[in-house]
Amino acid sequence: DSGVTQTPKHLITATGQRVTLRCSPRSGDLSVYWYQQSLDQGLQFLIQYYNGEERAKGNILERFSAQQFPDLHSELNLSSLELGDSALYFCASSVGHRGGNPGTQYFGPGTRLLVL
Amino acid sequence: LAKTTQPISMDSYEGQEVNITCSHNNIATNDYITWYQQFPSQGPRFIIQGYKTKVTNEVASLFIPADRKSSTLSLPRVSLSDTAVYYCLVGDMGTGFQKLVFGTGTRLLVSP
Repeated sequence: DSGVTQTPKHLITATGQRVTLRCSPRSGDLSVYWYQQSLDQGLQFLIQYYNGEERAKGNILERFSAQQFPDLHSELNLSSLELGDSALYFCASSVGHRGGNPGTQYFGPGTRLLVL
Repeated sequence: LAKTTQPISMDSYEGQEVNITCSHNNIATNDYITWYQQFPSQGPRFIIQGYKTKVTNEVASLFIPADRKSSTLSLPRVSLSDTAVYYCLVGDMGTGFQKLVFGTGTRLLVSP
């Protein structure tokens, strides 16, 4: 158990819909990262937050957005869903650093999204 | 932006040493190299991290040459439970808006 929790574990929805994935980081971790894992794209970094502020952005679509709340939990919002958005979405957390050694990321169990 | 490539798969036997290489030709000055292990339907799990030369912990060693354009994860005396997919991750998570790039992943199969 990494200490990172993600809900829901599974999500089935239809094209065009909007869903919210939730992540609670390990106690004491200030950074939260979101990743997408699909069969054809592998593990893709989406976005990182540090203590409530966006820190780094990867291959995140404009239809996707995220935020980190004052209690440090994070939500990833996926809208106008397409079939190709079906994937495993992982959240990870780390202590977080302003520079240099990024430290260890601890990954949650993931949310499996299926868009029909 | 670093691009990372790894061999798709590797086979080994119990008790052997396994070396998995990741190529990251465009690694930036501040990028660190991290290796993760992933089992089916689970999130990746941290193995080891380094910036240059050699790093060793209780489960693996990481070798990084001077030009840092590649790195090699070394697993000593693998067991059946080491059968998993191994990913390298390259990036600097601390300064500015930097991207984190996972390698393509290497599927390791350990046989008796």
